[in-house]
Amino acid sequence: GQQVMQIPQYQHVQEGEDFTTYCNSSTTLSNIQWYKQRPGGHPVFLIQLVKSGEVKKQKRLTFQFGEAKKNSSLHITATQTTDVGTYFCAGRGSQGNLIFGKGTKLSVKP
Amino acid sequence: NAGVTQTPKFQVLKTGQSMTLQCAQDMNHNSMYWYRQDPGMGLRLIYYSASEGTTDKGEVPNGYNVSRLNKREFSLRLESAAPSQTSVYFCASRTGGNSPLHFGNGTRLTVT
Repeated sequence: GQQVMQIPQYQHVQEGEDFTTYCNSSTTLSNIQWYKQRPGGHPVFLIQLVKSGEVKKQKRLTFQFGEAKKNSSLHITATQTTDVGTYFCAGRGSQGNLIFGKGTKLSVKP
Repeated sequence: NAGVTQTPKFQVLKTGQSMTLQCAQDMNHNSMYWYRQDPGMGLRLIYYSASEGTTDKGEVPNGYNVSRLNKREFSLRLESAAPSQTSVYFCASRTGGNSPLHFGNGTRLTVT
């Protein structure tokens, strides 16, 4: 079945360092969404990418959608302790439902 | 607006017991979903309801049943709980199309 792979599974950084998580699909995606889940919380929608090669920014966060619409990345510049949490990508599957990656858990050491 | 409300927040069951997880949304969303989240496994879709009156199986439906009671409410039932169903359960809803998911706060279920 359709899969969405996300790496790395864990990332530990020093505050101020950059962070990137990558998402890869076995098939072409119509769009991709990114969510953030704080420890003990629920996933919260961050952004959606639809167009091939699309790049969107939210303050220190940069989201990219690959040219082939099979991969995506989230890059955080100069991490802060408030960035702690698990970041999920989710691509739309053949049935139209979102298929989530397993997430990248980010910890930030002050 | 409350968004997506799930009850209960915590539950402990013994193997073989049954229970129903409740979910309600006040955003007039068409589609509702039940996910389970296990360490290292991400979010896996159990069942979904694309619109009122319809329900469909997701990736991991075995051992569960659902009811879309009306447009607002979507319940998940465990008929005979098993330790493998120990998990955090999230209900979510969305308008439809490519709209984002809105999640509830989750139910932490432990089956002993």
